[in-house]
Formats: sequence, structure tokens, C-alpha cells
Amino acid sequence: SHVLTQPPSVSEAPGETARVTCGGNNIGTESVHWYQKKPGQAPVLVIYYDSDRPSGISDRFSGSKSGNTATLTISRVEAGDEADYYCQVWDSSSDQGVFGGGTKLTVL
Amino acid sequence: EVQLLESGGGLVQPGGSLRLSCVVSGFTFRTNAMGWVRQAPGKGLEWVSFISGSGAATYYADSVKGRFTSTRDNPKNTLYLQMNSLRVEDTALYYCAKTKIPGSGAGGAFDMWGQGTLVTVSS
Repeated sequence: SHVLTQPPSVSEAPGETARVTCGGNNIGTESVHWYQKKPGQAPVLVIYYDSDRPSGISDRFSGSKSGNTATLTISRVEAGDEADYYCQVWDSSSDQGVFGGGTKLTVL
Repeated sequence: EVQLLESGGGLVQPGGSLRLSCVVSGFTFRTNAMGWVRQAPGKGLEWVSFISGSGAATYYADSVKGRFTSTRDNPKNTLYLQMNSLRVEDTALYYCAKTKIPGSGAGGAFDMWGQGTLVTVSS
């Protein structure tokens, strides 16, 4: 089945730009969604269909895709952005959803 | 206000069964596909299943295929996950989630989630 590869961790100082990557063989042909997950809370959708942002999500969050890699970019990082971030796609070859392993964002 | 409330979790022995429920409100349930996602203790999110708005189409992760069944009762605004032949590795917090765009297929994003119900499989 499809595998999505994320770095285990990313660290940035407040005010800097954090980038979380998600690699997969077929990402170029699939829609990528991104979720923020904080301990004890339900996941929150922050980017859908590669680069669309739900209402209520800060415009500091953006998504992009190039080749086999999707990227979640968080500009002007704040302490409140500290969380685990997951990418997700639909694998049409196996008819299953797939999440990446998650990336822990630490705000220094 | 959109709300999703899961229930039915608990402690069960390996090989046992549980049925999870997810009661929703605040949106037109029958028009939205739904899904189940789980998170084992200390682990990441794992996609479990998807069911279309009518219930006619269902998909499952390989890890649960043949053991779990997702159904829905649209007049009751309720989603179900029947879990049979439970294994220790099924221990997790189970979330139900709605797709963002009515009528979207299995590739749609989950925009609203419940708070989860804990399933513990242990002897």
C-alpha cells in the first residue's frame, strides 16, 4: 500500500518559517490534506486539496506540491503552532486512505 | 454548530467485539461521507474506514478488512463501526469524522472530528 514519508520532527524559532514535507510515489496525482493534532484534542484540518485553507485557519498556513513531495508551510511560527502535523491522501490503487507518520513541530 | 459524539468504547478481550457509535448534529448527515480514524497510544493517526453518504460504498484499511464493518443510519444521524475479532493492536482512540464537501468521494478531507472513544483490547 501507499507510504507517505514525513520527517519525525521540525524545529523553528518564533517568527520564523516552518516547513513540513510529505513524500510519496504518487503524490503528484493525489490530493493532499494536512491536519494539526495537539495532545488531548481532536485533529484539525489546516489544508485540503493540496493548498486550500478552511475558513477559520490562519493565513500563515499554506500548502504546496512539487513532484512527489507536498509541503505544509507555517509562516511566522507561534508557540500555539506547536503540534503534530499529518499529511493524508487517498490511495486509489488500493482504495484506502493513508496518513503520513506525522511530524512534531517544536517552537524553540 | 456541527457536533460529532462517539460512544461504545471500552475494555474487551482479544477475539471479542464492540460496536462504536457516532451521533452527529448540525449538518445534513445523509449528504456527507464519513470516516473512522484511530490513534494508538503514542502512535500516529491511522485511517480505518470510509463510508459514502448513502452507505452504499465502504472502504477499509488492510489492517481491519474482514473484521470491521462501517454502517450508517441516516434518519438517526448515526454512524457505526462494528469491530469483531479484536486484537491487542486495535487498542486506540477511535475518532469519527465528516468529509468537508457534501458528495465528495473517498478522497475528501475530514473537516470535523469527534473527541474520540477509547478501545482497549487486553486479556
